[in-house]
Amino acid sequence: NFMLAQPHSVSESPGKTVTISCTRSSGTIDSNYVQWYQQRPGSSPTAVIYEDNRRPSGVPDRFSGSIDLSSNSASLTISGLKTEDEADYYCQSYDSRSWVFGGGTKLTVL
Amino acid sequence: EVQLLESGGGLVQPGGSLRLSCVASGFTFSTYGMSWVRQAPGKGLEWLSHIRGTGGDLKYADSVKGRFIISRDNSKNTLYLQMNSLRAEDTALYYCAKLKALIYFDDWGQGTQVTVSS
Repeated sequence: NFMLAQPHSVSESPGKTVTISCTRSSGTIDSNYVQWYQQRPGSSPTAVIYEDNRRPSGVPDRFSGSIDLSSNSASLTISGLKTEDEADYYCQSYDSRSWVFGGGTKLTVL
Repeated sequence: EVQLLESGGGLVQPGGSLRLSCVASGFTFSTYGMSWVRQAPGKGLEWLSHIRGTGGDLKYADSVKGRFIISRDNSKNTLYLQMNSLRAEDTALYYCAKLKALIYFDDWGQGTQVTVSS
């Protein structure tokens, strides 16, 4: 099985842009789609990106996703940061046997 | 509006059992795969188990294989997780989640807390 590695935490100022990475340990990042979830304190996760770069209805276009074959990683980019974006973010992918989450990244907007 | 409502959590002694339920509404339950995902206190998300809309193709994480059993009753729009031989490390908030196209979790419940302690 594979794992997804994320930085433990990132921080940036309001109005700036931040990128969170998600590196797949084995197999290629484009083998299966990557999703991203936002989890605010005390709330259930909600998807902000699915199928690598698609946004669910209602998610602002400040959120974008991409994959990089050279680093075997996916990235979530949030532009025009707002204080409400402060949350934990998880990447997720899957294979034929399981669904896998990254360890999560705590985004602080300060 | 999709709603997923978990119940059945509580305090149980090590070695004990619990059955979690998740009642679904707002979509055609029998046509979607469903999963259980948990989150230990202060930790990340861990996928546990999956069941297809038809009730087949059961999958489990290694951490719960042989101890947990997923099932569903499409006539009651309800997903279940039978948890046996519980351990302290099973202490977590347990979510049910609706799976879209077998790829991603597009709807989540609010979770039910399971605490394993003597």
